[in-house]
Amino acid sequence: GIQVEQSPPDLILQEGANSTLRCNFSDSVNNLQWFHQNPWGQLINLFYIPSGTKQNGRLSATTVATERYSLLYISSSQTTDSGVYFCAVDHTGTASKLTFGTGTRLQVTL
Amino acid sequence: EAQVTQNPRYLITVTGKKLTVTCSQNMNHEYMSWYRQDPGLGLRQIYYSMNVEVTDKGDVPEGYKVSRKEKRNFPLILESPSPNQTSLYFCASSPFINTEAFFGQGTRLTVV
Repeated sequence: GIQVEQSPPDLILQEGANSTLRCNFSDSVNNLQWFHQNPWGQLINLFYIPSGTKQNGRLSATTVATERYSLLYISSSQTTDSGVYFCAVDHTGTASKLTFGTGTRLQVTL
Repeated sequence: EAQVTQNPRYLITVTGKKLTVTCSQNMNHEYMSWYRQDPGLGLRQIYYSMNVEVTDKGDVPEGYKVSRKEKRNFPLILESPSPNQTSLYFCASSPFINTEAFFGQGTRLTVV
């Protein structure tokens, strides 16, 4: 099956700092999404981005499908950004199944 | 508000006692699926449904049943829960194949 690797696995930032999270995948994909899992366990949709670039406030994402990677940028981080960030891809074309990466655990401190 | 709603949010049960976790979406989505999340194993798909009366197994279907009698509802049934089914469960829906998936709030299940 497809492999989805995220880096770094853990990240500690001071409030106000910027960061880049990376997602590499081993095969072509039909769908790529970024999620934030907050400390209460909820999965929050950040971006649906199978290709191209999108921005939403302090967050932006870029997917280069031909090179099989996606980047999530967080600018001016806040303590509420803490949690785990997941990249998830669907490459089946038939089952609409998301394969999740192992996640990047982000902690933003004061 | 467009959403996927799971119930209950938290459940502690005993081995062998049948339970159902409900999932409902109000977006008229065709696709629905169930995932479980476990430490070290990430999120894995249990079952999915492409439309009413159409369901299929995901990666970890053993011990689970689903049904899709109405487009909006996709309940997950554990006929005889065991401790290895202790997990965080998520229901998801999407409009069509290969489109954005929306997740419910999660159900934290403990089987003792």
